[in-house]
Amino acid sequence: ETGVTQSPTHLIKTRGQQVTLRCSSQSGHNTVSWYQQALGQGPQFIFQYYREEENGRGNFPPRFSGLQFPNYSSELNVNALELDDSALYLCASSKGQGRGRVSEAFFGQGTRLTVV
Amino acid sequence: AQTVTQSQPEMSVQEAETVTLSCTYDTSESNYYLFWYKQPPSRQMILVIRQEAYKQQNATENRFSVNFQKAAKSFSLKISDSQLGDTAMYFCAFMKHYNAGNMLTFGGGTRLMVKP
Repeated sequence: ETGVTQSPTHLIKTRGQQVTLRCSSQSGHNTVSWYQQALGQGPQFIFQYYREEENGRGNFPPRFSGLQFPNYSSELNVNALELDDSALYLCASSKGQGRGRVSEAFFGQGTRLTVV
Repeated sequence: AQTVTQSQPEMSVQEAETVTLSCTYDTSESNYYLFWYKQPPSRQMILVIRQEAYKQQNATENRFSVNFQKAAKSFSLKISDSQLGDTAMYFCAFMKHYNAGNMLTFGGGTRLMVKP
């Protein structure tokens, strides 16, 4: 167990709907990143939040959006769901220590989203 | 942009034997981090080993070691004395040095099966 928890674990949505996924970061961590992992592929970086602000984004459309709260937990929102959004969504937290310093990222167990 | 390539989709090894997983990457950065992550059926990404690009010495963690060839942009993982619990997906990942968090670029993964 890493201390990073995601909810729900599984979710089925209909094309065109909206979904919100949640992530509680490990205690003491102020940085949360979200990844999309399609079946049989490696995770792809969606975006990252550091101290409640987005500070990095991958090649994902604006209908993928997020929030980070004062307690550093985070949400991933996806609007207008498409069939290709079906994937495992992983959240990772770490302790940002400023420019040039890196701490280990701890991952949650993911949310399996199925769009039908 | 960075790319990470894992050329071995699947590998198998007998219990107690040694296996090497390959990874190559492409980047114009001079300072960066490389990682190997393990993803068992539980879906949670677990950090196996990390390597700082400025360090010439190869990282070692118990039965896991890497062969880091910076000029060749190669980063292979060697697992010695393979155990049944090593059965999992293994992902090679890259991260820029100056980063307050965990924006990782992953390879496509290698599925490792350890046979009794």
